[in-house]
Amino acid sequence: GQQLNQSPQSMFIQEGEDVSMNCTSSSIFNTWLWYKQDPGEGPVLLIALYKAGELTSNGRLTAQFGITRKDSFLNISASIPSDVGIYFCAGREIGGSQGNLIFGKGTKLSVKP
Amino acid sequence: DAGITQSPRHKVTETGTPVTLRCHQTENHRYMYWYRQDPGHGLRLIHYSYGVKDTDKGEVSDGYSVSRSKTEDFLLTLESATSSQTSVYFCATLETQEGYEQYFGPGTRLTVT
Repeated sequence: GQQLNQSPQSMFIQEGEDVSMNCTSSSIFNTWLWYKQDPGEGPVLLIALYKAGELTSNGRLTAQFGITRKDSFLNISASIPSDVGIYFCAGREIGGSQGNLIFGKGTKLSVKP
Repeated sequence: DAGITQSPRHKVTETGTPVTLRCHQTENHRYMYWYRQDPGHGLRLIHYSYGVKDTDKGEVSDGYSVSRSKTEDFLLTLESATSSQTSVYFCATLETQEGYEQYFGPGTRLTVT
């Protein structure tokens, strides 16, 4: 089935640095979502995007819906230790079944204090 | 936050035994989902429900069944557990039919010995 290519798989950064990650698909999506998962917990929704070119912020997080509708980007500015976790992208294909989403495999973020 | 609870949170069972996991939501969301999360595979959809008594298969449905007799409860049953079903199971709900923002429960860690 359809899969999302999420990169990078993992990254180590210094506190205060900016972080970028992205997600690409082989088909056109009408929805992109970004989640964060802390150890032992369920994913928590960070940002939802519904229009090509849309740029949405949530505090230090900014996500964009790519204009080709086949990709999305998440940026974290001035990272802090609590940003550690796994970030997942998820998307819905145009014509996709019900509200079903396709998930990336995640970007594991580790911050050096 | 859709007020999603999952029970049990942890379970160890033996191969061949039946297991039922419960997802309970308090927000009257129409759609409910069961995922499993495994290293290297991300989140994979097992079954989903689009209303009371309305369910359908996901990507990895073999060996699992579901039931939804009330809006607030979605049950996942492993009829005869196998070691390959050792995983973390997440329930999610969808707020509206027009938006696709799924909200996740805290997860159930299942170990089949």
